[in-house]
Amino acid sequence: KAGVTQTPRYLIKTRGQQVTLSCSPISGHRSVSWYQQTPGQGLQFLFEYFSETQRNKGNFPGRFSGRQFSNSRSEMNVSTLELGDSALYLCASSWSGGSGYGYTFGSGTRLTVV
Amino acid sequence: GEDVEQSLFLSVREGDSSVINCTYTDSSSTYLYWYKQEPGAGLQLLTYIFSNMDMKQDQRLTVLLNKKDKHLSLRIADTQTGDSAIYFCAEAGSGNTGKLIFGQGTTLQVKP
Repeated sequence: KAGVTQTPRYLIKTRGQQVTLSCSPISGHRSVSWYQQTPGQGLQFLFEYFSETQRNKGNFPGRFSGRQFSNSRSEMNVSTLELGDSALYLCASSWSGGSGYGYTFGSGTRLTVV
Repeated sequence: GEDVEQSLFLSVREGDSSVINCTYTDSSSTYLYWYKQEPGAGLQLLTYIFSNMDMKQDQRLTVLLNKKDKHLSLRIADTQTGDSAIYFCAEAGSGNTGKLIFGQGTTLQVKP
């Protein structure tokens, strides 16, 4: 079966712009989580969506937002980009978001803010 | 609070066993995971263990869990150059939160 698909793979944006990243989960998976990976902070949880509802949120400013559609695809948006937002953004899907089902990650979107 | 700690670097010779260690603080953790990340790639799930288990074996991989000490280890038998990567330990709390807490990652270098 197809894995988790993230688009685009690479993005270069200018400070102050906004960006939207997309994640298509594995068919049948209803939970999508987003993570930010940087050399300094490692992997940090952004938020999780299940059945179009945000169920959990990490400690990120309100500039980071997301949504989930009825087909479980998810988008995350970052507004007013800062240089520190440069990172690899990973999404993970699971059947329910429950820890026993495992989380499958996509290949990520590499965002560079200049 | 929730925290996961790993050593940052491990170097072994091809054919040797590798042991990567991890400690965590959340006593309510239900599942603990090991992920592998190769350069430029996402995270690949290697294996996971339920918190009421002591050990899990999957081909060349052996996971040991000491719940009392909150210590987790991943042993890779007969390590190959293709095993060179960053290995992340992660814990998930109880309930459907969709959230994993990751360690900093251990870079495994396998020398031929």
